[in-house]
Amino acid sequence: GAVVSQHPSWVICKSGTSVKIECRSLDFQATTMFWYRQFPKQSLMLMATSNEGSKATYEQGVEKDKFLINHASLTLSTLTVTSAHPEDSSFYICSATWAGVEQFFGPGTRLTVL
Amino acid sequence: GQQLNQSPQSMFIQEGEDVSMNCTSSSIFNTWLWYKQDPGEGPVLLIALYKAGELTSNGRLTAQFGTTRKDSFLNISASIPSDVGIYFCAGLLDTDKLIFGTGTRLQVFP
Repeated sequence: GAVVSQHPSWVICKSGTSVKIECRSLDFQATTMFWYRQFPKQSLMLMATSNEGSKATYEQGVEKDKFLINHASLTLSTLTVTSAHPEDSSFYICSATWAGVEQFFGPGTRLTVL
Repeated sequence: GQQLNQSPQSMFIQEGEDVSMNCTSSSIFNTWLWYKQDPGEGPVLLIALYKAGELTSNGRLTAQFGTTRKDSFLNISASIPSDVGIYFCAGLLDTDKLIFGTGTRLQVFP
């Protein structure tokens, strides 16, 4: 099956710093990648939709200047959490798809902001 | 934002028992999906349903797409310890976005 990886799997950073999370489709070219956030014991909430070569589309309530998304190639999308604060601590999960086929999810990145 | 309601919120069962969980929505979806998430991992697709009334099986799992297109259920028969995890339903929008349910946490005791 299609494989999606994320890096890093976990990261701890100081408040005020920026953190970049990578999402890669390893064995297919993803026309669309999605970024989700999951707080403890809660569901996955879609943050943004990322299409290769174009600007990401953010869900209502998600600050685009705080969560910068870049989808520079058909196999890589990055999420940068800028000026991170403790309330940004969460589990960030990406998924990738092509031509509306099933979304394949990455293993997630746990972010802890001190 | 929009969310699907799942029940029960959590279940504690004994190995070998059957499990049933539901997902309801105020909106219509044309595709329903069921995922399982292990701790610290991303969700994995279990079953996809594409047609109202459809009943689909995958091993010990059976899922049905409600005729109103506003609900779905998932059954797990003869549960085993590795069934432990969180089960999410999801509705697929025409924009290819997924709306996830609130989740059902399953614990299986030997």
